[in-house]
Amino acid sequence: EPEVTQTPSHQVTQMGQEVILRCVPISNHLYFYWYRQILGQKVEFLVSFYNNEISEKSEIFDDQFSVERPDGSNFTLKIRSTKLEDSAMYFCASSHGQGGNYEQYFGPGTRLTVT
Amino acid sequence: AQSVTQLGSHVSVSEGALVLLRCNYSSSVPPYLFWYVQYPNQGLQLLLKYTSAATLVKGINGFEAEFKKSETSFHLTKPSAHMSDAAEYFCAVRVYNQGGKLIFGQGTELSVKP
Repeated sequence: EPEVTQTPSHQVTQMGQEVILRCVPISNHLYFYWYRQILGQKVEFLVSFYNNEISEKSEIFDDQFSVERPDGSNFTLKIRSTKLEDSAMYFCASSHGQGGNYEQYFGPGTRLTVT
Repeated sequence: AQSVTQLGSHVSVSEGALVLLRCNYSSSVPPYLFWYVQYPNQGLQLLLKYTSAATLVKGINGFEAEFKKSETSFHLTKPSAHMSDAAEYFCAVRVYNQGGKLIFGQGTELSVKP
């Protein structure tokens, strides 16, 4: 069964460093998302991406964040200068988004620890 | 704006007992609703979805949920809890726009006692 994959599973970085989180969505899906979950809190939306552009972003998704689909399979989230408060689990999700197929399938997540 | 509220951050049941996890939604348009399960240190797995077809939705692992418009609810149930059901459960509503982001509830941690 197709699944969303994410790498790395765990990333430790120092404050101020750049990190890139990688995701491979399900191959025939058209919509891509990043969410994050700070420890003990609910899952929060960061950004959605469709047709090679951002379709929506949250207040969290400021200028330090960017997303890219560099090729036909990968979807990346870049944080330019990490802060302590960026420590969280980051989930990638994808959805077909057409014909009523709106359910989002999530990857296993990348745990980002900023020290 | 659309939102979901999950009543009860922690629910504890005995093995074999009924599981009832509550979710209420707010939406000005017919909602698309979802339940996800998160096992420790894992991602979110889709349990079931409501997309305006049948109001009683069956999902994986014996779970089901009933959409009740009059009560703006989408509660998750399972007739008989199993130890393996212990996890965090999230209710979510899909926002009705181009991006279609999900808005999640706070989550309910389900404990199952032997």
